[in-house]
Amino acid sequence: KAGVTQTPRYLIKTRGQQVTLSCSPISGHRSVSWYQQTPGQGLQFLFEYFSETQRNKGNFPGRFSGRQFSNSRSEMNVSTLELGDSALYLCASSLGIQGAIQYFGAGTRLSVL
Amino acid sequence: GQQLNQSPQSMFIQEGEDVSMNCTSSSIFNTWLWYKQDPGEGPVLLIALYKAGELTSNGRLTAQFGITRKDSFLNISASIPSDVGIYFCAGLSNTGNQFYFGTGTSLTVIP
Repeated sequence: KAGVTQTPRYLIKTRGQQVTLSCSPISGHRSVSWYQQTPGQGLQFLFEYFSETQRNKGNFPGRFSGRQFSNSRSEMNVSTLELGDSALYLCASSLGIQGAIQYFGAGTRLSVL
Repeated sequence: GQQLNQSPQSMFIQEGEDVSMNCTSSSIFNTWLWYKQDPGEGPVLLIALYKAGELTSNGRLTAQFGITRKDSFLNISASIPSDVGIYFCAGLSNTGNQFYFGTGTSLTVIP
């Protein structure tokens, strides 16, 4: 069974631009969660999507948004990029039932110059 | 958001030594998970714990779900160079709707 796939693996953008990251979950998984990982802050929860609906949201500004498609694939968008948005963005998929274990992709490394 | 206190922050040990790390919270959790992250990769699940007092092993790794449900421990026996990485704990809140992650323990194994 294929794991969680995130594309692209690396991105370089400049301040003010926007970016879209993609995540394909494990087959059969209906929940996708996004996390931002930085050296100083660890893993910070962005949001979770289940059956195309945002089910949970972390404490991030509105510049961070996401969506989920009918095939459970998810995208995350960051608009008006800031230098502080440089991070590893991780996607995790799960069955979506309460307490289901999350399985992570390799992440997208975003650098904002 | 809520964050788990993980310690130590970093460890430098000799190959063959045993390692212990722990994770604590002020809140009760229903599930504890331990992940390992290699450089440039996403976290990989090592062990899942579902019940207070539960002790689970995965090869040289052993983890325990604290009796108070507010802590968990991970032990690695006879460390080897490939154990190098960052270890994260994660706890599922008792509302069951979100996992919270520890700040990570960076492990360096000196051959």
